[in-house]
Amino acid sequence: GAVVSQHPSRVICKSGTSVKIECRSLDFQATTMFWYRQFPKKSLMLMATSNEGSKATYEQGVEKDKFLINHASLTLSTLTVTSAHPEDSSFYICSARAGEHADTQYFGPGTRLTVL
Amino acid sequence: AQKITQTQPGMFVQEKEAVTLDCTYDTSDQSYGLFWYKQPSSGEMIFLIYQGSYDEQNATEGRYSLNFQKARKSANLVISASQLGDSAMYFCAMREVNTNAGKSTFGDGTTLTVKP
Repeated sequence: GAVVSQHPSRVICKSGTSVKIECRSLDFQATTMFWYRQFPKKSLMLMATSNEGSKATYEQGVEKDKFLINHASLTLSTLTVTSAHPEDSSFYICSARAGEHADTQYFGPGTRLTVL
Repeated sequence: AQKITQTQPGMFVQEKEAVTLDCTYDTSDQSYGLFWYKQPSSGEMIFLIYQGSYDEQNATEGRYSLNFQKARKSANLVISASQLGDSAMYFCAMREVNTNAGKSTFGDGTTLTVKP
């Protein structure tokens, strides 16, 4: 099956700093990538949809200036949490779809962010 | 109304027995896909099985089968011969082709515990 990697898997940072999370599709080209946030024992909450070469589409209530998304190539999307605060601590998961009409999303292993 | 409903927050099953995890969905789109994902304690979302709305046969993948009842809008996951490694959180998801910008919607999940 398709493989999606995420880096780092775990990060601890101080309040006020910025953190970048990378999502890569390793064996396929991902025209669309998704970024989710998940709280413990809860469902995935879609934050934004990232299309290669264009601006990300953010879900209602998600601050685009706080969660910067860049999809510079068909295999890489990045999420930068700017000026992180403790309430940003969460599990962030990316997923990738091979094409607009592809059905299955393949997920990365997730990044656990802890902001002190 | 919720698009994906998983009514069982937690389920228990004896090892080697079969278990059914419930999922109902709500859509007016004629074309959609239904998915099940497994999320173990490590956090990674593992794709299990897919059912397209036009598929006449129920999807099967090894020990996983999807009991698709279109008229009732249900897509229950059946796991046969449960193993201890099946203990995890399970998410049902739907992707509507023509609405919701093709994004996937996830249920709240069911935590399955397999007892030895």
